[in-house]
Amino acid sequence: AQSVAQPEDQVNVAEGNPLTVKCTYSVSGNPYLFWYVQYPNRGLQFLLKYITGDNLVKGSYGFEAEFNKSQTSFHLKKPSALVSDSALYFCAVRDGRLNTGFQKLVFGTGTRLLVSP
Amino acid sequence: DTEVTQTPKHLVMGMTNKKSLKCEQHMGHRAMYWYKQKAKKPPELMFVYSYEKLSINESVPSRFSPECPNSSLLNLHLHALQPEDSALYLCASTPNDSAWGSYNSPLHFGNGTRLTVT
Repeated sequence: AQSVAQPEDQVNVAEGNPLTVKCTYSVSGNPYLFWYVQYPNRGLQFLLKYITGDNLVKGSYGFEAEFNKSQTSFHLKKPSALVSDSALYFCAVRDGRLNTGFQKLVFGTGTRLLVSP
Repeated sequence: DTEVTQTPKHLVMGMTNKKSLKCEQHMGHRAMYWYKQKAKKPPELMFVYSYEKLSINESVPSRFSPECPNSSLLNLHLHALQPEDSALYLCASTPNDSAWGSYNSPLHFGNGTRLTVT
């Protein structure tokens, strides 16, 4: 079965510093990986995805993620954190057959990012 | 603002009540989803509708009854819920067609209904 792990419950970073939110995956076959962000009392918002191609994926709001096959990781990064980036971040992997025409995602447990002024 | 609209935003109901949650999208998406999310936890998939047909039921108790009246609407009917069913209920949608790219289209989430069962 497909799974992702987010080893950190919380990441603290000062505004202006680079940030990394970690995710490792376990899949059979090719990985289809996603990052979502959730602000308080909101639904999840899509940030970026890795399907195939370049290992460095660029997404919304200045975020990027680095796919590393040998380390089975898909860490989320941003060169300079903003206080407004403080939120809950979920890594996810597609589960199930590819030809069903809909998404079945397995989410990680989430990492709370706190950016201090 | 999200393109998936959920109503109501908040709902308090007793264990003997019957209520419904509503979700609407006008993006032409043909797959719609219900998720349940407890505080500080990841969303848990409950149901998936594809072309208005129920495709996935993740062994959800029968006190939750989904309905997809048309391609834009998704309802979740609630009856005889328990206090542990209190959670944020999220609706989401994705395109659903035969194009390869749509198989990995991101989920578009609504802002959810905060349900409290007393």
